[in-house]
Amino acid sequence: QSALTQPASVSGSPGQSITISCTGTSSDVGRYNRVSWYQQYPGKAPKVIIYEVSKWPSGISNRFSGSKSGNTASLVISGLQAEDEADYYCCSHADTFYVFGTGTTVTVL
Amino acid sequence: QVHLEQSGTEVMKPGASVKVSCKASGFTLTNYHMHWVRQAQGQGLEWLGVINPGGIKTYAQQLQGRFTMTRDTSTGTVYMELSSLTFEDTAMYYCVREGCSGGACYQYFDYWGQGTVVTVSS
Repeated sequence: QSALTQPASVSGSPGQSITISCTGTSSDVGRYNRVSWYQQYPGKAPKVIIYEVSKWPSGISNRFSGSKSGNTASLVISGLQAEDEADYYCCSHADTFYVFGTGTTVTVL
Repeated sequence: QVHLEQSGTEVMKPGASVKVSCKASGFTLTNYHMHWVRQAQGQGLEWLGVINPGGIKTYAQQLQGRFTMTRDTSTGTVYMELSSLTFEDTAMYYCVREGCSGGACYQYFDYWGQGTVVTVSS
């Protein structure tokens, strides 16, 4: 299983919106609506922010939104805030396996 | 409340085996899929394997033959064991619960343990 492809870094100014892409194949992202996104601060465990492509777990801000088209899933962070500066990973179910994205570092300028 | 408490830091020699435990509390272990995920320093996340409520295990292809998951339902503990360690196995290892609700599971990870550092060093 090859890792899903994400941009290494994305940056934006406070208040702006940014988009992180997550490209897989027809065997993972394209086949299942089981894409999730995780936020990770340095030295901390990841935290789920989106599941099933576009659903929010309890307590997660709706400034985070997810979508999917074909083999590419996307995470949009709206109204960018300083606290959004972190690493972000996508993950897809793929038959009996799971595959993570390569990870994206978000920098708030 | 849900909590996953992992065992402590391990320093191992190349070729050795390591076993890491994860004690679950706040939920019934046999009602959930439990996974292991690892992350090398400065690197991305890597899915290692899962044990489902029925005890059936699935492992990542790249670890086939070296990685084993077990569980003790009497203590609510899951374990991972990795054998024939190499320097490339040095990483933080996370025990993770899959999100489930109303009897259905949704293939995402809702609770993570604090992580266990495994260092392979000669």
